[in-house]
Amino acid sequence: EVQLKESGPGLVQPSQTLSLTCTVSGFSLTDYSVHWVRQPPGKGLEWMGVMWSGGSTAYNSALKSRLSISRDTSKSQVFLKMNSLQTEDTAIYYCTRAVPPFDYWGQGVMVTVSS
Amino acid sequence: NIVMTQSPKSMSISVGDRVTMNCKASQNVYNNIAWYQQKPGQSPKLLIYYASNRYNGVPDRFTGSGYGTDFTLTINSVQAEDAAFYYCQRIYNSPPTFGGGTKLELK
Repeated sequence: EVQLKESGPGLVQPSQTLSLTCTVSGFSLTDYSVHWVRQPPGKGLEWMGVMWSGGSTAYNSALKSRLSISRDTSKSQVFLKMNSLQTEDTAIYYCTRAVPPFDYWGQGVMVTVSS
Repeated sequence: NIVMTQSPKSMSISVGDRVTMNCKASQNVYNNIAWYQQKPGQSPKLLIYYASNRYNGVPDRFTGSGYGTDFTLTINSVQAEDAAFYYCQRIYNSPPTFGGGTKLELK
């Protein structure tokens, strides 16, 4: 069974760095890409970036200077790091598998940026 | 970057009605479009991929159509459980941009 699960801190202080982990099961990170998508409260979906199956990455140009995505294939984990967080980064953060369409999603993790 | 524009932003429909919502791409995306349904408190769920292919287990009242820049999601005989947000997304090429969403409410 394919599963993705996000984990990380629920609260981050402004200007600090967010670190999230997406742990997957039921498929290999070397066969499928994993994307990060976020959703601010009451707003739509924003694509953030991708870890391609081959190990390269791509980022939303609006976030590129602050965002880094990496992985550990042995642990079936994909990592997101985003620095210089501001209140507008408050959102639910999802990881999702792409076929290309995003067929499986994690439950999401709510991250609040506040002092 | 390609911009995906959805319309209308919201609609209020009665159970049993037929509803059509639209997604317009700022450039030709061929048939590289997916549609997702998101209910409150849930993750998005894939409904339609490559413009017109229904995903596993999606009821056949959901139909996707279109090619190039203009796409449509139609729900025939809307059910109460269809109340949700619907998002289109450009797929296959990067960045996989989402539209702003359409909120479907039931009267």
